[in-house]
Amino acid sequence: DAKTTQPPSMDCAEGRAANLPCNHSTISGNEYVYWYRQIHSQGPQYIIHGLKNNETNEMASLIITEDRKSSTLILPHATLRDTAVYYCIAINSGGSNYKLTFGKGTLLTVNP
Amino acid sequence: GAVVSQHPSRVICKSGTSVKIECRSLDFQATTMFWYRQFPKQSLMLMATSNEGSKATYEQGVEKDKFLINHASLTLSTLTVTSAHPEDSSFYICSAREVLGGRDTQYFGPGTRLTVL
Repeated sequence: DAKTTQPPSMDCAEGRAANLPCNHSTISGNEYVYWYRQIHSQGPQYIIHGLKNNETNEMASLIITEDRKSSTLILPHATLRDTAVYYCIAINSGGSNYKLTFGKGTLLTVNP
Repeated sequence: GAVVSQHPSRVICKSGTSVKIECRSLDFQATTMFWYRQFPKQSLMLMATSNEGSKATYEQGVEKDKFLINHASLTLSTLTVTSAHPEDSSFYICSAREVLGGRDTQYFGPGTRLTVL
């Protein structure tokens, strides 16, 4: 699975959009980009995933560059409850060796 | 999204005892479940992959005789920490894999905090 690189921390003002970047320059054609977040002392929460098209759901939007070497998770209106560690993971979801490997992620702090 | 539960949420036990943690997928069937461990200020580390009806696959460095995994049904996997010691104190998290309509997603339980005295 491709390695991903994320900034260790980011700050965002409450009510503003939070844009979390992720680099995955070695991603292969059949690897999806998954985003999870972990609020302190809880299990990770699935947010969104995509292959090459942009995706949107009730939680967030995922923008993937045309060359698929990077992506951005967008929380359109961040709230204090969005403070968490956000993980970007590239994985071949259809593969038999399907395992999520968590890096250090980005600690997003939403400030009032 | 799909819901995964864990029980218990917190357990304190004496050194040398065994502890069983249950992981259930509540509204979907999961042929594959995963067990992770997370130490303070660290990321999640995969311990093992649990497949329904077959033996679990353990990651390198994880003792299979110490961490017993049983995936007896499509909605239940259990992790038993045998002869627990203080260094086994950690946050144990399970996840269940849902493949639905071409979408492949892992959903996580809320975690179990184990403290071994």
